[in-house]
Amino acid sequence: AQKITQTQPGMFVQEKEAVTLDCTYDTSDPSYGLFWYKQPSSGEMIFLIYQGSYDQQNATEGRYSLNFQKARKSANLVISASQLGDSAMYFCAMREVYGGFKTIFGAGTRLFVKA
Amino acid sequence: GAVVSQHPSWVICKSGTSVKIECRSLDFQATTMFWYRQFPKQSLMLMATSNEGSKATYEQGVEKDKFLINHASLTLSTLTVTSAHPEDSSFYICSAREGTRNTGELFFGEGSRLTVL
Repeated sequence: AQKITQTQPGMFVQEKEAVTLDCTYDTSDPSYGLFWYKQPSSGEMIFLIYQGSYDQQNATEGRYSLNFQKARKSANLVISASQLGDSAMYFCAMREVYGGFKTIFGAGTRLFVKA
Repeated sequence: GAVVSQHPSWVICKSGTSVKIECRSLDFQATTMFWYRQFPKQSLMLMATSNEGSKATYEQGVEKDKFLINHASLTLSTLTVTSAHPEDSSFYICSAREGTRNTGELFFGEGSRLTVL
């Protein structure tokens, strides 16, 4: 069974600094995708970044980058130059291709950006 | 990106009544939709996978007679909470996968907040 673990319930970061949100996963499926979503207080789920299990390079999307370490089964999100608007819940998620494309979410990390 | 719309955004109902939540993919055909439930300050828990034209596949512990899912077309899936009780109060979010894409993100609806009195 697939499993996603986010061990940081809450994180603080100073505005303009970088922050890393941890995510580890477990799966027996050789083909899978890893995602990060942001959920502000409004409740909407905002897609941030995607990493495929066969991708050779770490994914980047603007200020977001995914530190993918396949052997360690980790997919940490790095947010550079934090902004006050980055304060939100962040969820790591995984989809197994052979699992019917179900996407399972981690417990989430609440990020607080300080001015 | 693709757009998924959920309706209603908010619903308050009396205990014992049934509530229907709609999830529509507006600009793509969604062969598969997923329904999640989120309690306050918790993660999204997958309730069921909805495939167009077939019965939904429910996750372990989710009562299929309680949460009726219908995916009658490639653009619409509905979740009906039958005989709702206060413990069913939650944030329900649908998501959709575009039929032709094997990778890429799910597209989420705005969510529906259900309060059962």
